[in-house]
Amino acid sequence: EAGVTQFPSHSVIEKGQTVTLRCDPISGHDNLYWYRRVMGKEIKFLLHFVKESKQDESGMPNNRFLAERTGGTYSTLKVQPAELEDSGVYFCASSQDVGNYGYTFGSGTRLTVV
Amino acid sequence: DAKTTQPPSMDCAEGRAANLPCNHSTISGNEYVYWYRQIHSQGPQYIIHGLKNNETNEMASLIITEDRKSSTLILPHATLRDTAVYYCIVRLFGYDKIIFGKGTRLHILP
Repeated sequence: EAGVTQFPSHSVIEKGQTVTLRCDPISGHDNLYWYRRVMGKEIKFLLHFVKESKQDESGMPNNRFLAERTGGTYSTLKVQPAELEDSGVYFCASSQDVGNYGYTFGSGTRLTVV
Repeated sequence: DAKTTQPPSMDCAEGRAANLPCNHSTISGNEYVYWYRQIHSQGPQYIIHGLKNNETNEMASLIITEDRKSSTLILPHATLRDTAVYYCIVRLFGYDKIIFGKGTRLHILP
């Protein structure tokens, strides 16, 4: 089966601009997660979708971040306006069941804000 | 916050078994132990999980002590491709989100 796909793989934007990251989960996976790793720090949870609904968005850093999941399929994470501290690698993961064996992660989007 | 304690780094010779320890002394009865790893520049990868019995799959074995306060992930024949950061995670099965700690950076030496 196809894995979790994220694009772009890299993005370099200027401070104040807007960037949209996209994640295509494994087909049929209702659960979709976003994580972020800022350089030198641990991987941090951002939010969790069940189908199109936000189940847990406790990790979203502030209101500059907006996540959507249209029709319960792919998801987007928009950062507007981007700040320097938003730089890092953004990972998306999906799972078929919340209690299933584990999450399948994508390769991530490396975001650099200059 | 992560509920586990792992050594920051370990070395293992190629071809030998890599034994990665994890302490989770505050684990509750319905929490599982999960292991993930992140190879450089890739997304985290699920390895194995268990509750109280030892588990084995094609990637690794998980040994959980009888009191469940610690566990060991065993890579039976480590290769250079196993060089990665390994994360031990305690999680309520089917409920909690995965919380990553600092993990153990495993270096496989040729």
